[in-house]
Amino acid sequence: EMQLLESGGGLVQPGGSLRLSCAASGFTFSNYAMTWVRQAPGKGLEWVSSISGGGGTTHYADSVKGRFTISRDNSKNTLCLQMNSLRAEDTAVYYCVKEYSSALAIRWFDPWGQGILVTVSS
Amino acid sequence: DIQMTQSPSSLSASVGDRVIITCQASQDITNYLNWYQQKPGKAPKLLIYDASNLETGVPSRFSGSGSGTDFTFTISSLQPEDIATYYCQQYDNPSITFGQGTRLEIK
Repeated sequence: EMQLLESGGGLVQPGGSLRLSCAASGFTFSNYAMTWVRQAPGKGLEWVSSISGGGGTTHYADSVKGRFTISRDNSKNTLCLQMNSLRAEDTAVYYCVKEYSSALAIRWFDPWGQGILVTVSS
Repeated sequence: DIQMTQSPSSLSASVGDRVIITCQASQDITNYLNWYQQKPGKAPKLLIYDASNLETGVPSRFSGSGSGTDFTFTISSLQPEDIATYYCQQYDNPSITFGQGTRLEIK
């Protein structure tokens, strides 16, 4: 069974940093692109960032470009999101999701992790 | 970026009703349109991919159609367990956007 388990969330002050991790199991991690999607409290879904299976291609939403960095370690089946210069509007549940293919070309998301809450507040 | 206009934002229907949700893209996305179900407190779940393909294990009462800019998601006979929020998602690479969501309630 494919599983994704996020960690690293919590409370951080505005301007601070946080690093999210996602441990993947049940599939050949390096064969699939991975993505972060977030959901602010009571709001809809927002795509954040994606990385190809080999790690050579990354994409970011304009709202996080220059502040967030996505990375992966295929030897450890782990996806990461380094979040710097955090703002109140980054407060959300962050989901780790697996894409259909390796190359960021055919893009639907399944499965999703259970999500991890990031709260940016003083 | 491509904008997705999903409607209605909320919907109340009775068990057994046919339910229709629409999603309109701001430009042609061929069939690059997926549908997800999110139950309260849970992660979203993929139901339909590439506009009309039913994900494995998803009940056949769910279906999708459309191409270009106009898409439709249908529940043929609403069941109590279908209470959730539904989202469309387009992938005109590299940009990905979701619709605003449709909250479905039982009347």
